[in-house]
Amino acid sequence: RKEVEQDPGPFNVPEGATVAFNCTYSNSASQSFFWYRQDCRKEPKLLMSVYSSGNEDGRFTAQLNRASQYISLLIRDSKLSDSATYLCVVNFPGSGNTGKLIFGQGTTLQVKP
Amino acid sequence: NAGVTQTPKFQVLKTGQSMTLQCAQDMNHNSMYWYRQDPGMGLRLIYYSASEGTTDKGEVPNGYNVSRLNKREFSLRLESAAPSQTSVYFCASIQGGGGYGYTFGSGTRLTVV
Repeated sequence: RKEVEQDPGPFNVPEGATVAFNCTYSNSASQSFFWYRQDCRKEPKLLMSVYSSGNEDGRFTAQLNRASQYISLLIRDSKLSDSATYLCVVNFPGSGNTGKLIFGQGTTLQVKP
Repeated sequence: NAGVTQTPKFQVLKTGQSMTLQCAQDMNHNSMYWYRQDPGMGLRLIYYSASEGTTDKGEVPNGYNVSRLNKREFSLRLESAAPSQTSVYFCASIQGGGGYGYTFGSGTRLTVV
């Protein structure tokens, strides 16, 4: 089983749609969780951290379910500019202060006009 | 602009050649990382340096060496390139223990023929 698993998609949605991605992680000891966005042929960029209580940033909402070991990202009112690959990321358990992160393979979103 | 700078951006090597990928950050971050990204595989950690003067292996270290030259610079060396090392290489850095996510460089696209 992969340490961080995502449905690779692609998810094809019309503009204005709401779309949700889920991600599961295998090690319950993970403590830090993130969503990154990666545009084609570009480096990943931090979209948002994921907090235990859930958090929202504009049209984006992230949720963490520790009991089931999954993380979700909800995008409301999709824009063409949201088309990208979304990477689910968790810290490497037991890594102490090394900052090592584990990346999922990403979920591709295509927003159509 | 502050950030992580990688050089070169593109490189083609012949099998058996050697080269060094350079990475420098000007954010005074303690920890630096080298990842490779392959289609369908996500980002995989090659080596990391949790602090100046230390380096450790990641998930896929074989065929690579690293040097943490100083706090700013972390280089990745391929001693004898193989076609299996064709990939996109990303350098990243972080201030602390992983709670804030990485800043990535723009990547090096390496092809080994």
